[in-house]
Amino acid sequence: AQSVTQLGSHVSVSEGALVLLRCNYSSSVPPYLFWYVQYPNQGLQLLLKYTSAATLVKGINGFEAEFKKSETSFHLTKPSAHMSDAAEYFCAVSGNNDYKLSFGAGTTVTVRA
Amino acid sequence: DGGITQSPKYLFRKEGQNVTLSCEQNLNHDAMYWYRQDPGQGLRLIYYSQIVNDFQKGDIAEGYSVSREKKESFPLTVTSAQKNPTAFYLCASGINTIYFGEGSWLTVV
Repeated sequence: AQSVTQLGSHVSVSEGALVLLRCNYSSSVPPYLFWYVQYPNQGLQLLLKYTSAATLVKGINGFEAEFKKSETSFHLTKPSAHMSDAAEYFCAVSGNNDYKLSFGAGTTVTVRA
Repeated sequence: DGGITQSPKYLFRKEGQNVTLSCEQNLNHDAMYWYRQDPGQGLRLIYYSQIVNDFQKGDIAEGYSVSREKKESFPLTVTSAQKNPTAFYLCASGINTIYFGEGSWLTVV
């Protein structure tokens, strides 16, 4: 069974600073990995996904993530935080033939002016 | 516009009542899902359906029921057997990439 662990339930960054959200996965097969963002009282919006085509994945809103098999990690980064990046972020995993998503507990990002 | 529509956005349930949350999609997806979200716990899978007239229990199906009579629709009923139903409920659809609706808040009063 696949699972993900998000390290840190809350991250606070200054506007213009690097955003780094950590996610480690556990999977017995090559996984599909996803990052979603959720704004208050809204559904989840897909930021990016990894499907083995390339280890560095670029997503929307300037976010990117790097798949590192040796570290079983899929950390999300953005070089320069913007106030609009304040939200909750979820890492998720599914298997090749089992497309149900398993989610991490989420990381809340706050951005300081 | 294509997407997933959930209704109502806010719903209140009295003790002992069943309530049904609606989910409609026009993305032509075979697979649909229901997730429950509680603060600090991420999302947990309630039920999923891979095709019309078929559905399977997820991780927390007790106290819930679903139907899949049409490809576009996957309603979720929260029964009185669900002891702690207050939560944010998210409907989703898709296979290789899963898309979400805007969610429904259910509160027990």
